[in-house]
Amino acid sequence: DTGVSQDPRHKITKRGQNVTFRCDPISEHNRLYWYRQTLGQGPEFLTYFQNEAQLEKSRLLSDRFSAERPKGSFSTLEIQRTEQGDSAMYLCASSLMENTEAFFGQGTRLTVV
Amino acid sequence: AQTVTQSQPEMSVQEAETVTLSCTYDTSENNYYLFWYKQPPSRQMILVIRQEAYKQQNATENRFSVNFQKAAKSFSLKISDSQLGDTAMYFCASGDSNSGYALNFGKGTSLLVTP
Repeated sequence: DTGVSQDPRHKITKRGQNVTFRCDPISEHNRLYWYRQTLGQGPEFLTYFQNEAQLEKSRLLSDRFSAERPKGSFSTLEIQRTEQGDSAMYLCASSLMENTEAFFGQGTRLTVV
Repeated sequence: AQTVTQSQPEMSVQEAETVTLSCTYDTSENNYYLFWYKQPPSRQMILVIRQEAYKQQNATENRFSVNFQKAAKSFSLKISDSQLGDTAMYFCASGDSNSGYALNFGKGTSLLVTP
């Protein structure tokens, strides 16, 4: 399968723990986006990369959140000192160029208990 | 900043009938794109249709078409000959160069297609 892949699909963690999610975009896609989706809401933009460069971060991305895309391939999203409010679906999307179709992964569902 | 509003939280339609989902948006940009995404119960978002704001002609993809009213900032989705597999959440979204074409989504409309 050559679609966007996210790992893990589900993560349950205790409040205060750190978690890391991984996203593998479609090969050769330069753009990679992270979104967060809570129940009953549309996805909200968190951050995006052009190759390895992180070009924009939303105000939603507090200092507990960090994202990387080493070598412009896969990306990781880390949340430190998780809070119950971090519980959500974290979606990754990639696109070939800046204004082309974005393909989404199936998401990582995070539950903080 | 762009805002996208979907005023219909839930809709239902009978199989083979036509349904229209509403979306309005607000932007100060001249160059932007509008999208409808479908999110089936399996949760993976799929692009349904896309419209470039500079194009006057409404986009069409098989049974899906849009009514793009630029002056009114309206972007509705029409699904013709509805099928059971169309049951999903539908999200309207916008993107522009200012935000790196990161998508700004509405809250979604849950569409149920009944036999």
